[in-house]
Amino acid sequence: NAGVTQTPKFRILKIGQSMTLQCTQDMNHNYMYWYRQDPGMGLKLIYYSVGAGITDKGEVPNGYNVSRSTTEDFPLRLELAAPSQTSVYFCASTGVGTENYEQYFGPGTRLTVT
Amino acid sequence: LAKTTQPISMDSYEGQEVNITCSHNNIATNDYITWYQQFPSQGPRFIIQGYKTKVTNEVASLFIPADRKSSTLSLPRVSLSDTAVYYCLVGGRNNNDMRFGAGTRLTVKP
Repeated sequence: NAGVTQTPKFRILKIGQSMTLQCTQDMNHNYMYWYRQDPGMGLKLIYYSVGAGITDKGEVPNGYNVSRSTTEDFPLRLELAAPSQTSVYFCASTGVGTENYEQYFGPGTRLTVT
Repeated sequence: LAKTTQPISMDSYEGQEVNITCSHNNIATNDYITWYQQFPSQGPRFIIQGYKTKVTNEVASLFIPADRKSSTLSLPRVSLSDTAVYYCLVGGRNNNDMRFGAGTRLTVKP
């Protein structure tokens, strides 16, 4: 299993540009999550999904959108990038079959908005 | 949402046992306590989870008193490679109500 994969690893955006961060998991997990982590801080939940076709807002959803058309994929969309969205973005998944519903994290996407 | 409080940082030396305590005074009946470890430039990694009393696995132990208002992560005989940030989370098993605080930055010295 590749686990949770994220692309791209790094990206620089100009203010106002849009982009999609990709996240894929091959563990057949029903739960998926998007977090952002600012320097020296903990992770903040942006959006989560409990299954294909179902998404919900987390702690800091403003400026982002998500979709979950398949079990495997959970892309995160930034429509109008702002400097405040400069952060490291982590995708995670979990579900039935894990022992403790522990989250498996991807390697992260480092995004800079200038 | 159950809020957690942990020390911001701790220092230790190789070979010592490290105990990191987390306070969660408003933990709910259905909440579990989960600890994650994060190295620089990596996503967090699950360490251990418990509901009550004591849980032990190959890397750590988790002690939870009867009132469940706190928990202690115990790392036996730490090494330099245990230098990382450790997060205590409290919430339901579907994770959508769990919140990562700033964590505890553990530095292990030779």
